[in-house]
Amino acid sequence: GIQVEQSPPDLILQEGANSTLRCNFSDSVNNLQWFHQNPWGQLINLFYIPSGTKQNGRLSATTVATERYSLLYISSSQTTDSGVYFCAVGNAGGTSYGKLTFGQGTILTVHP
Amino acid sequence: DTEVTQTPKHLVMGMTNKKSLKCEQHMGHRAMYWYKQKAKKPPELMFVYSYEKLSINESVPSRFSPECPNSSLLNLHLHALQPEDSALYLCASSQDRSMAGELFFGEGSRLTVL
Repeated sequence: GIQVEQSPPDLILQEGANSTLRCNFSDSVNNLQWFHQNPWGQLINLFYIPSGTKQNGRLSATTVATERYSLLYISSSQTTDSGVYFCAVGNAGGTSYGKLTFGQGTILTVHP
Repeated sequence: DTEVTQTPKHLVMGMTNKKSLKCEQHMGHRAMYWYKQKAKKPPELMFVYSYEKLSINESVPSRFSPECPNSSLLNLHLHALQPEDSALYLCASSQDRSMAGELFFGEGSRLTVL
């Protein structure tokens, strides 16, 4: 199956700082999503981005499918951005059909 | 507001109990999923239903029994669980299982097995 690697595993920021989270994957994909898991456990969709660039407020994401990586940018971070950020990928072929494979996540802590 | 609703939010059960987790979505999605998540780990896929038929079982022990009564509902029946089954159980749905669209998650059911 597809391998997904996220970096860094942990990130500590002061409020107002910017950050970049990275997701590398081992095979071609037709699905790539970024999620934020809040302290209560809910996985919140940030971006569905199998290729290209998207922006939503202070967050933006870029996926370079040909080079098999995606980046999540957080600007002017706030304490409410704290939590775990997961990258998850899937493809429509082979044994991975119907499965979304998650990376290990990046634990982000934003201090006031 | 999440469009995938899970009940109960919290469940405590003994090893001899029988209980069920429920999930409902009203987005017209035809694929529904159960994931299990242990603390500080990513979610792990358990089951996938596509058009109300079980299409993927990730070698889950038979003490977990999924059921899809209709296209909007997904249940997970629990029987004779072990303490190591304590985890956050997440339900999700997508347009179909082709992975060509977004996966939406519910808020999860946090299960404790005593």
